[in-house]
Amino acid sequence: SQQGEEDPQALSIQEGENATMNCSYKTSINNLQWYRQNSGRGLVHLILIRSNEREKHSGRLRVTLDTSKKSSSLLITASRAADTASYFCATAPFGNNRLAFGKGNQVVVIP
Amino acid sequence: NAGVTQTPKFQVLKTGQSMTLQCAQDMNHNSMYWYRQDPGMGLRLIYYSASEGTTDKGEVPNGYNVSRLNKREFSLRLESAAPSQTSVYFCASSPFTGASNQPQHFGDGTRLSIL
Repeated sequence: SQQGEEDPQALSIQEGENATMNCSYKTSINNLQWYRQNSGRGLVHLILIRSNEREKHSGRLRVTLDTSKKSSSLLITASRAADTASYFCATAPFGNNRLAFGKGNQVVVIP
Repeated sequence: NAGVTQTPKFQVLKTGQSMTLQCAQDMNHNSMYWYRQDPGMGLRLIYYSASEGTTDKGEVPNGYNVSRLNKREFSLRLESAAPSQTSVYFCASSPFTGASNQPQHFGDGTRLSIL
């Protein structure tokens, strides 16, 4: 079953603006991961945040995790046209060796 | 830096035909996975192999079989293709056995249409 649910589903922004997308999940997790998928390509891992972490940065990406609300957010700052892609969250439930992917957020950055 | 390589990239089949999707990784990873991606559904796990010699069912295994040929290769077989199996299939790998706290590396997918 799909664990992660991203919100909003589609986002269109101007280059230079920030893009924020959210992910909620239902069960306790070991970690949560975010992936990017460019059109016609496979998924690329962006960042992993463990259940005991609250915030993590990687370049222009900032991920937060609130285990009490079972939610995470991905912020892309100063967006570029090359950030146009679909973004997926994936959760790793405790006691389960598999990842459960959400349905994805489509982000379009307009030059 | 090939990473995860999937073949073929595109395939059209008729209902009832069989075919095998190939996947190979050159990163010496222990675990490998097969997913399908359908519009609006995200990725769903079909089968995975935690290590060479082992395979386990995922969320949607019906109609599929897998073989972990060696550490590098993990194939997915459709014995009798059905239109409901029209999808994009992704193979992925991760370094360690049985651990989900690690990134997965994906191939670029096989786009399969079944008429």
